[in-house]
Amino acid sequence: AQSVTQPDIHITVSEGASLELRCNYSYGATPYLFWYVQSPGQGLQLLLKYFSGDTLVQGIKGFEAEFKRSQSSFNLRKPSVHWSDAAEYFCAVGATAGGFKTIFGAGTRLFVKA
Amino acid sequence: DVKVTQSSRYLVKRTGEKVFLECVQDMDHENMFWYRQDPGLGLRLIYFSYDVKMKEKGDIPEGYSVSREKKERFSLILESASTNQTSMYLCASSSHDRADPEQYFGPGTRLTVT
Repeated sequence: AQSVTQPDIHITVSEGASLELRCNYSYGATPYLFWYVQSPGQGLQLLLKYFSGDTLVQGIKGFEAEFKRSQSSFNLRKPSVHWSDAAEYFCAVGATAGGFKTIFGAGTRLFVKA
Repeated sequence: DVKVTQSSRYLVKRTGEKVFLECVQDMDHENMFWYRQDPGLGLRLIYFSYDVKMKEKGDIPEGYSVSREKKERFSLILESASTNQTSMYLCASSSHDRADPEQYFGPGTRLTVT
């Protein structure tokens, strides 16, 4: 069965520091992988996605993620965090065959300190 | 600009009331989804629809029903609201195009059942 694990419930980083949010997935084939961001009181916005090809994908707002098949991971990174990045981040995996379902991780809340 | 709208941002209902949550998308998407979001649990799929008048149960359909009479509109119905249905409800839509399985989200409806 598909599953997504985000091991960190919350993370605090200083403004200007680098960020890495972890995501591990379980899926029988190469899945579609996504990172979404949710600002307080808002819906989810797509940051980036991976389907195939280059395993390092660039997204909006200066984020990137790397697909590592051997580790079943799709970690999100940003070299320098801004205060406006404080939000909740969701990793998700989508089926590539049959169905249209996407499974979401429990989320990681990012706090940014000055 | 793609858009998914939800009828209410905040809703307060009493136990036993019938509740309708409406979702409209303007992207001509075939697929539409209803999720509930609770702290620490991420997004859990309630129902989804891949075509007009078609519906499929998600992971937590108990206590909910849905209606999709038109392609752009997907309604979530709580037949008899209960306090354990207090939550954030998110609607999303996506295309059948497997080259673009991204889900687009509405802003959410925060429902409180007293």
